[in-house]
Parts: sequence; C-alpha cells; structure tokens
Amino acid sequence: KAGVTQTPRYLIKTRGQQVTLSCSPISGHRSVSWYQQTPGQGLQFLFEYFSETQRNKGNFPGRFSGRQFSNSRSEMNVSTLELGDSALYLCASSYSPGTPRTDTQYFGPGTRLTVL
Amino acid sequence: QKEVEQNSGPLSVPEGAIASLNCTYSDRGSQSFFWYRQYSGKSPELIMFIYSNGDKEDGRFTAQLNKASQYVSLLIRDSQPSDSATYLCAVSPYGQNFVFGPGTRLSVLP
Repeated sequence: KAGVTQTPRYLIKTRGQQVTLSCSPISGHRSVSWYQQTPGQGLQFLFEYFSETQRNKGNFPGRFSGRQFSNSRSEMNVSTLELGDSALYLCASSYSPGTPRTDTQYFGPGTRLTVL
Repeated sequence: QKEVEQNSGPLSVPEGAIASLNCTYSDRGSQSFFWYRQYSGKSPELIMFIYSNGDKEDGRFTAQLNKASQYVSLLIRDSQPSDSATYLCAVSPYGQNFVFGPGTRLSVLP
C-alpha cells in the first residue's frame, strides 16, 4: 500500500506571496492532519480534515487554511507569507479519528518551505 | 493548556544499553499515547502506541503507561547506533487532535 505523499517536496517563496501544498493520504484513509515543524517550536498542529470537513484547528492565524476533497486528498494554503513561516510542513493520514482516538497517524515526507 | 513534556536531551547511552525516554502530559482526559521516531531530515515514523495502563512490548521496544501519574515512557533495549534519532511522544486528549511533545534526542554511542 502506498504511503502518504506530499507535493512539492521543496519550495522557495518570497514574503507576501502565497503557497499551496498538497497531500494524498494512504488509500482508504479519510482523515488528514497538517502540522508545522520548526526547530524552535517543534511539531505544531495546524488543522485536521475528515470527510471534507475541518474537524479540529490549531492556534494559527487565518492566513493558514486548508481543505479536503471527496477523494480525501487535502491541500493547505498559506497567504501573505512571512519569514517565520519557513518550516517543514507535514501531512499525516489516518483511517478515522474516532472518539476517543485510537487511530494511528502516518506521516508523509513533508514539504520544506523557505520564505526569503 | 494541554501540554506534553519531554526532556530535550541529548540522551547518550552506550551501544547495547537500555535507553529510557520519558513523557508527561497535563490533560487527564488523554486516551491514547504514541511514540514516534524522527531521523534528522526525515518525517516522524510510528514506533508504537499504548492505550491501557501497564507495559506493552514490541521487539526491543517497551512502552509503559501510568495514567494516574500522567506519565508514559519508552524503553529501548539493546540500543543500537541506528536508534540515534529524536523520539516524539504524542498524546490524544479525548476526541481531539494529537499533541506532540518537543522530542528527546537520543544518541547511541558505538
């Protein structure tokens, strides 16, 4: 079974631009979560989508947004890029979040975003 | 605020020794607990998960959970240089997204 794929793997943008990152989950997985990882802040949760609906949202400004399509693929968008947005953006997929959560998240390789 | 804490390390152990990684969490409603390993420049990969109090063993890895003390640990027996990585503890509060700790950097010395 193919793993989580993310495109592109590397991006270089300048301040003020916007960027769209894509994530394809493992086949059959319906939940996609996005994380930002930086050396100083560690792995921080951005948002989670399940069945095309945003299920949870982290503490990030409105410049960060996302969506999920009917085939469970997800995109996240960052508008008006700032230098501090430089990070590794990770996507993780799981079958179904459940309550309580017993699903396991599997991470993609990430997209390395550099903002100049 | 829900928090997950780990010693940042680095934790250095000699090859063949037992490495002990610790994690504490603040939300008593947390239900599930995960350990991920992340090599430098790579994405996190799941090592194991634990939901119930007690020990869970998988090969050289043992996860230990004590919900009363809000403590979860990972033991790595017969540590190998290839185990050198950052280990992330993740906790799922009831019905919510995962909260990750800052990670502990482990260095296994040959």
